[in-house]
Amino acid sequence: GESVGLHLPTLSVQEGDNSIINCAYSNSASDYFIWYKQESGKGPQFIIDIRSNMDKRQGQRVTVLLNKTVKHLSLQIAATQPGDSAVYFCAERPSSGYALNFGKGTSLLVTP
Amino acid sequence: DTAVSQTPKYLVTQMGNDKSIKCEQNLGHDTMYWYKQDSKKFLKIMFSYNNKELIINETVPNRFSPKSPDKAHLNLHINSLELGDSAVYFCASSRQIASPTYEQYFGPGTRLTVT
Repeated sequence: GESVGLHLPTLSVQEGDNSIINCAYSNSASDYFIWYKQESGKGPQFIIDIRSNMDKRQGQRVTVLLNKTVKHLSLQIAATQPGDSAVYFCAERPSSGYALNFGKGTSLLVTP
Repeated sequence: DTAVSQTPKYLVTQMGNDKSIKCEQNLGHDTMYWYKQDSKKFLKIMFSYNNKELIINETVPNRFSPKSPDKAHLNLHINSLELGDSAVYFCASSRQIASPTYEQYFGPGTRLTVT
């Protein structure tokens, strides 16, 4: 069936470096994508979203890139900080549905 | 002020018992959700209510029954608890489900342990 997945289950980066977290999706009918951050013991927290009519969107220190041709989504975090250590999820919503389908999550570990 | 709150935060119970988890949101949102997160951190939608009406009902055992007394509350009742029900359950809310901004706000989660 349709699925959302992540290329790397864990990612370790040094403080100050840029991080890139990748996500592949298989439902070409998806029209909305979100990145969430989940810290230990907490609920997922919205980071940034993008609609399918865009290919890039920037927030504060974060950028989401969408490549619909290859059905790929990425989250770039600039100047990664220890507080960025968390599990990151991408999620997508099919244009015909209401539910968000979440990917498996990537654990980001920021080392000093 | 807490936007989406859940009670209890931890719930330990024995197999066969019936338990409820409560959720409240003070964001004025029309849509609320229940998700289950397993031990591998995989998040899966279970139910969604829009203006107190059930709109998403994924394949979950009918031992799970959501109840929405009003737009601000969505409770989850679980009958005859099984070991496999152990997980973290998250409540979430969002604006009107057809809204172009589809950001969902999550509660802190309820860790359910069935022994």
